[in-house]
Amino acid sequence: DGGITQSPKYLFRKEGQNVTLSCEQNLNHDAMYWYRQDPGQGLRLIYYSQIVNDFQKGDIAEGYSVSREKKESFPLTVTSAQKNPTAFYLCASSGTSGSSIDTQYFGPGTRLTVL
Amino acid sequence: EDKVVQSPLSLVVHEGDTVTLNCSYEVTNFRSLLWYKQEKKAPTFLFMLTSSGIEKKSGRLSSILDKKELFSILNITATQTGDSAVYLCAVENEDGGSQGNLIFGKGTKLSVKP
Repeated sequence: DGGITQSPKYLFRKEGQNVTLSCEQNLNHDAMYWYRQDPGQGLRLIYYSQIVNDFQKGDIAEGYSVSREKKESFPLTVTSAQKNPTAFYLCASSGTSGSSIDTQYFGPGTRLTVL
Repeated sequence: EDKVVQSPLSLVVHEGDTVTLNCSYEVTNFRSLLWYKQEKKAPTFLFMLTSSGIEKKSGRLSSILDKKELFSILNITATQTGDSAVYLCAVENEDGGSQGNLIFGKGTKLSVKP
């Protein structure tokens, strides 16, 4: 079954620690995205990658970092510089480079709580 | 397992047509249902529905939720080419305490021809 997996579902970290969220897809999609969702707000784009070894900042990239060394993997690191890291993080992928409208498929999400 | 199913997966109409997009769900501890419009990058928020039978409207778009039958519809009247997009339905559950988690459907890709 093709799809997107995110792990873990729930993650707890102490303030000041970096944490990496996993996102893997076996859909052979070129583009991958990271979003953050907070209560009462829509999805906000953190980073996206249109192709391996390339990525761009989204609207709220400060305090986050990503890598795209493999087509199927797009891990997100929440650094200690992120002021409000507690949130629900969603990863998505789509089939093209993003230049046209292509459905984004979302993973199940990771809820990060920083204590 | 929680799931959200949207139909149809794709739809082609002509300007001026009215379209109805469907979203059905099976979610434990339902909190809300959300509709998003996705064009090139981040989806933009359209509606949040929490109560059955209350229609929400924004211009030519409207949506309603049926919590008994577990579905929602999104209507777009007098469609325009700018309505071409993927429309995503997501359901928020109460798993996770005070902050719910989102489960997305696969989207309906709408193409509006001039």
